[in-house]
Amino acid sequence: GENVEQHPSTLSVQEGDSAVIKCTYSDSASNYFPWYKQELGKGPQLIIDIRSNVGEKKDQRIAVTLNKTAKHFSLHITETQPEDSAVYFCAASKSNYQLIWGAGTKLIIKP
Amino acid sequence: ETGVTQTPRHLVMGMTNKKSLKCEQHLGHNAMYWYKQSAKKPLELMFVYSLEERVENNSVPSRFSPECPNSSHLFLHLHTLQPEDSALYLCASSQEVQGYGYTFGSGTRLTVV
Repeated sequence: GENVEQHPSTLSVQEGDSAVIKCTYSDSASNYFPWYKQELGKGPQLIIDIRSNVGEKKDQRIAVTLNKTAKHFSLHITETQPEDSAVYFCAASKSNYQLIWGAGTKLIIKP
Repeated sequence: ETGVTQTPRHLVMGMTNKKSLKCEQHLGHNAMYWYKQSAKKPLELMFVYSLEERVENNSVPSRFSPECPNSSHLFLHLHTLQPEDSALYLCASSQEVQGYGYTFGSGTRLTVV
């Protein structure tokens, strides 16, 4: 069935360095790819998304890139700060409500 | 507050108990969702409601029973649960039934003993 693989499951980076989280999807018809951030004790919150007609999108320190041919997309966080510590989820969908989610990446920012 | 409020935040229940989870959204959205979140697993969509009508029931066991009395409120009634049902239950809403624009609540941490 359709699935989204997310790597790594845990990522530890030094404060100020960059972090990259990668996701691979199986359904080539997927056309919407959001990234959610979940802080401890809270629900997931959308931080950035991209549609299949765009290869890259940037919002301040975060960016998402999409490679439709390889069916993978990545989240890039530059100049990481302590408040970036959280669990990040990727997802993919085909213009309907069925989001296929990755298993999450726990990002740890070391001071 | 995110605009989606879930109560209680924590719930411990025995396998023979009956309890209910509540979700309320103050965003004027027309669609509401229940998700199950287990550790190190992808979020699992359980139920979808659009204007109080159930759109989706993703092969969820009958011991989970949803109720949507109006477009602002969503309940999940629980009975005869199993220990493997222990998880974080998240409620979300969106303008319409769609895959984007979700606002999630903070969840109810359920432990079945």
